[in-house]
Amino acid sequence: DGGITQSPKYLFRKEGQNVTLSCEQNLNHDAMYWYRQDPGQGLRLIYYSQIVNDFQKGDIAEGYSVSREKKESFPLTVTSAQKNPTAFYLCASRSITDTQYFGPGTRLTVL
Amino acid sequence: AQSVTQPDIHITVSEGASLELRCNYSYGATPYLFWYVQSPGQGLQLLLKYFSGDTLVQGIKGFEAEFKRSQSSFNLRKPSVHWSDAAEYFCAVGARASYDKVIFGPGTSLSVIP
Repeated sequence: DGGITQSPKYLFRKEGQNVTLSCEQNLNHDAMYWYRQDPGQGLRLIYYSQIVNDFQKGDIAEGYSVSREKKESFPLTVTSAQKNPTAFYLCASRSITDTQYFGPGTRLTVL
Repeated sequence: AQSVTQPDIHITVSEGASLELRCNYSYGATPYLFWYVQSPGQGLQLLLKYFSGDTLVQGIKGFEAEFKRSQSSFNLRKPSVHWSDAAEYFCAVGARASYDKVIFGPGTSLSVIP
């Protein structure tokens, strides 16, 4: 089955640590996205990538970094510079019909 | 400014009753419109989308939505709600090949009373 996988499902980070969230898709989509979701709020765009080896900052990129070395993979690193990283993180990819499809999410908690 | 509003933060309906979730948007280009559903702790699942053509679109799980350009609205409806429909619903607006300009509303939380 085609889809988007994210791992881990739950992640705990100590203050000052960098952590990396995984996102993999086998839908053959060129564009991929990372969103942050906080309680009672909609989705906020962190980074997006239209093609391999290219990515753009979204609305809240500070404290985050990404890479896009393979079409299938778009990992997100939450750095120690992100002051309030506790949130639910969603990865998505975009089809040629301009529709975004989402992974199951990763819940990050700072201890 | 581009935005999506969902006026109802939370709605409670009885099982079997009809449902309408409101969505209004402000968007410069011709909009593509989406409704997604999210169960607790899960990702977003696409319910339906409107790109062009018939303004009444059918989606999965018995949902439908109507695009009204004059009112800048894209309301989601279901004639008879099931307990399993309890979830968070998000309206979103984008545009053709506009990779960064998909805007999501704040969501409406739906509770269903047995």
